[in-house]
Amino acid sequence: GQQLNQSPQSMFIQEGEDVSMNCTSSSIFNTWLWYKQEPGEGPVLLIALYKAGELTSNGRLTAQFGITRKDSFLNISASIPSDVGIYFCAGLGNSGYALNFGKGTSLLVTP
Amino acid sequence: DSGVTQTPKHLITATGQRVTLRCSPRSGDLSVYWYQQSLDQGLQFLIQYYNGEERAKGNILERFSAQQFPDLHSELNLSSLELGDSALYFCASSPQPEWEPGLNTDTQYFGPGTRLTVL
Repeated sequence: GQQLNQSPQSMFIQEGEDVSMNCTSSSIFNTWLWYKQEPGEGPVLLIALYKAGELTSNGRLTAQFGITRKDSFLNISASIPSDVGIYFCAGLGNSGYALNFGKGTSLLVTP
Repeated sequence: DSGVTQTPKHLITATGQRVTLRCSPRSGDLSVYWYQQSLDQGLQFLIQYYNGEERAKGNILERFSAQQFPDLHSELNLSSLELGDSALYFCASSPQPEWEPGLNTDTQYFGPGTRLTVL
């Protein structure tokens, strides 16, 4: 599968700060997904994006599907300690439903 | 809770052995996917089944196999285990077999995973 480039690899921030992470690919994707994974758990879907240029929010989370269809970003506003976890981007191309995942962004939030 | 269940949660075994991981999809989902998550490779797609039939293959080793039963639960069989097979194995499910532009907007929901340790 295609590897997505996700950055930054890790972030260490203070509570209340805004966070931004992004994902790029050399290939076009039809769907971009953002998942969060906490220790000992499976990835949990946060936001799904289905159209180029789409901007979608889920509470304090906002994600956008890049107009080139080769990138996406996720913003978290006013971070809180429970935002701690690893955030993964995933892209879905033309061939079926196999997701291509980024390596993840590890987020640590201090009170 | 995603609605996807996986058993067992932890599995410890020795090299050369064979294990079976089990997954029950969300109610109504016909498609099941298996992923492997290791520290160096991240989340890698292994195989997909839809309504009992193999639909897509990813980076799955020949020592690994899977099947989906009439009740839609799936099993991933790992044989001749090696140290490098130690990883988290996730199952995901979705209603559709594949993304169809303009027809469906559903996606995959993951189970809690099985942590396999090969000693």
